[in-house]
Amino acid sequence: NAGVMQNPRHLVRRRGQEARLRCSPMKGHSHVYWYRQLPEEGLKFMVYLQKENIIDESGMPKERFSAEFPKEGPSILRIQQVVRGDSAAYFCASSPENEQFFGPGTRLTVL
Amino acid sequence: QQQVKQSPQSLIVQKGGISIINCAYENTAFDYFPWYQQFPGKGPALLIAIRPDVSEKKEGRFTISFNKSAKQFSLHIMDSQPGDSATYFCAACVSGNTPLVFGKGTRLSVIA
Repeated sequence: NAGVMQNPRHLVRRRGQEARLRCSPMKGHSHVYWYRQLPEEGLKFMVYLQKENIIDESGMPKERFSAEFPKEGPSILRIQQVVRGDSAAYFCASSPENEQFFGPGTRLTVL
Repeated sequence: QQQVKQSPQSLIVQKGGISIINCAYENTAFDYFPWYQQFPGKGPALLIAIRPDVSEKKEGRFTISFNKSAKQFSLHIMDSQPGDSATYFCAACVSGNTPLVFGKGTRLSVIA
């Protein structure tokens, strides 16, 4: 049973470009969470999705950030017009119920 | 309040010693308290979790102690090994698929 998969593992973008981060949950898990981790910090919740629905996006910036979890395919976190402050590790977690299992993360660097 | 406060920020323990990391929370609605272990460049891995209906849970060398009245919980690592050197995060949430609120992490170094 494969774990949570994320790609790419590393992503470099210039200011103003778009970043697309993908997350495939564990088989059988229909709940996906996205978290952001800044250096030397804990993880901060961004958004919680179920298939085709955003359940809670209270942690996601209102501008430039969006997320989706389509019926088919991975969940995608999209950051438009990236700025240097977006540089961080982005983790997704999937859950069958309460336990959340994390992927290896995507490390975004904005030049 | 949604905060979870974790201490210490860093910890150095001799091999074979006991590592103790503490967390405190404010939201009395929280009823699920997991601990995660993270190695550099990796994602957090679920280590052990507890619910408030028990005061202690043990899995191998890892034990969670929970004090509901004080709103505190702690992780004890017995017989600490160099391989335990990692960053440990406590977290809390309301059970039933809600976002986790994380502490800021404790960087543990176990030295021989």
